[in-house]
Amino acid sequence: EIVLTQIPDTLSLSAGERATLSCRASQSVSNYLAWYQQKPGQAPRLLIYDATKRATGIPARFSGSGSGTDFTLTISSLEPEDFAVYYCQQRGDWRYSFGQGTKLEIK
Amino acid sequence: EVQLLESGGGLVQPGGSLTVACTASGFTFSTHAMSWVRQAPGTGLEWVSAINAGGSRTFYADSLKGRFTISRDNSKNTLYLQMHSLRAEDTAVYYCVEDVGYDSSGSFDHWGQGTLVTVSS
Repeated sequence: EIVLTQIPDTLSLSAGERATLSCRASQSVSNYLAWYQQKPGQAPRLLIYDATKRATGIPARFSGSGSGTDFTLTISSLEPEDFAVYYCQQRGDWRYSFGQGTKLEIK
Repeated sequence: EVQLLESGGGLVQPGGSLTVACTASGFTFSTHAMSWVRQAPGTGLEWVSAINAGGSRTFYADSLKGRFTISRDNSKNTLYLQMHSLRAEDTAVYYCVEDVGYDSSGSFDHWGQGTLVTVSS
């Protein structure tokens, strides 16, 4: 089973700042990595799929990069509604797995 | 608009059984693989099981050890998860998730709002 490790566990930033979230896989997942945003009491929402592709309706301030084992989600300028928990997920192996999550909180 | 509505959650005793369901609308259910993903209280996401669009292939997380069964009824646009020998650690919100492909691809486009299963005496 592929283990995804997200760094950091918590990220404290202010609105307008740039956020960089990392996800590292225990073995290569090629570009089969997605990012989700989850707010309290809500289901996860797909942001990025196949490492770099924005899902429908996702603002351009969200971008993804990486391949193999190292991936990054970047939010170029934080809006108040972006403070949430973010998860990465791999589908490079049929036993799909998620990272433990990064909580993006207001500083 | 894609809608996934889970039902059937509730309180069940340890060792008991429960079946949760997901009714889909807004897309052609019979052409999409589906998955169940769960989230224990205050924790992260865990993929549980997947089924292809035709229902002929199923996949399970190793941790379940044969206790869960996924199925679907395409005539009713409904996905099911039968859970047996339930344990306290199965307590979670169970999400129904649409896969973008006919075969399970792990590319999860739409999620339901989830149904809470609580295993406790």
